[in-house]
Amino acid sequence: EAQVTQNPRYLITVTGKKLTVTCSQNMNHEYMSWYRQDPGLGLRQIYYSMNVEVTDKGDVPEGYKVSRKEKRNFPLILESPSPNQTSLYFCASSEQTGSLRRTDTQYFGPGTRLTVL
Amino acid sequence: TQLLEQSPQFLSIQEGENLTVYCNSSSVFSSLQWYRQEPGEGPVLLVTVVTGGEVKKLKRLTFQFGDARKDSSLHITAAQPGDTGLYLCAGPPITDSWGKLQFGAGTQVVVTP
Repeated sequence: EAQVTQNPRYLITVTGKKLTVTCSQNMNHEYMSWYRQDPGLGLRQIYYSMNVEVTDKGDVPEGYKVSRKEKRNFPLILESPSPNQTSLYFCASSEQTGSLRRTDTQYFGPGTRLTVL
Repeated sequence: TQLLEQSPQFLSIQEGENLTVYCNSSSVFSSLQWYRQEPGEGPVLLVTVVTGGEVKKLKRLTFQFGDARKDSSLHITAAQPGDTGLYLCAGPPITDSWGKLQFGAGTQVVVTP
């Protein structure tokens, strides 16, 4: 079954304790992206990756790191989490057909609910 | 500041009624996508509109892309409880790189039997 998986689904942690949220897709997609969703703000893009070893900032990259060492995995790293990073996080992937009009379907994972105390 | 403004934020209607959700911007978009998100799940793509003035139909859902590619609308005819969800519009502004995506804040639609 084609899917995007995220782990963990729920996480409660304390300020300053490094954590990693994993994201994996089995569709051989070049493009992967991380978003955070907060009430009243919709989804905001954190980082995205066009291919292995190619990453770039979205609109809200501060306090986050990513890496893309393999095509299928795109982990999100919070080196020193703070309470304002409490949010619902989504990973997504899509093909990259090169269309300037961006018609590729983006598939989302089930989300990771993070609470930083 | 949200580049894509959605209205209304919340819509509660009875089964069988029609509804329209709007997605507006002062920026031009290469394309616009509409997603529906249900509680506890990730967004699921409904449609992509690409050409200015384009109209696409998906059963009882009609999507329109503005002529200037700055706005879009979603119209649901004879809404059903299964249409309940958070509707999100998203797209890449033409001034941004291919990888960057902007999302609207969403419209929560509740259809009661």
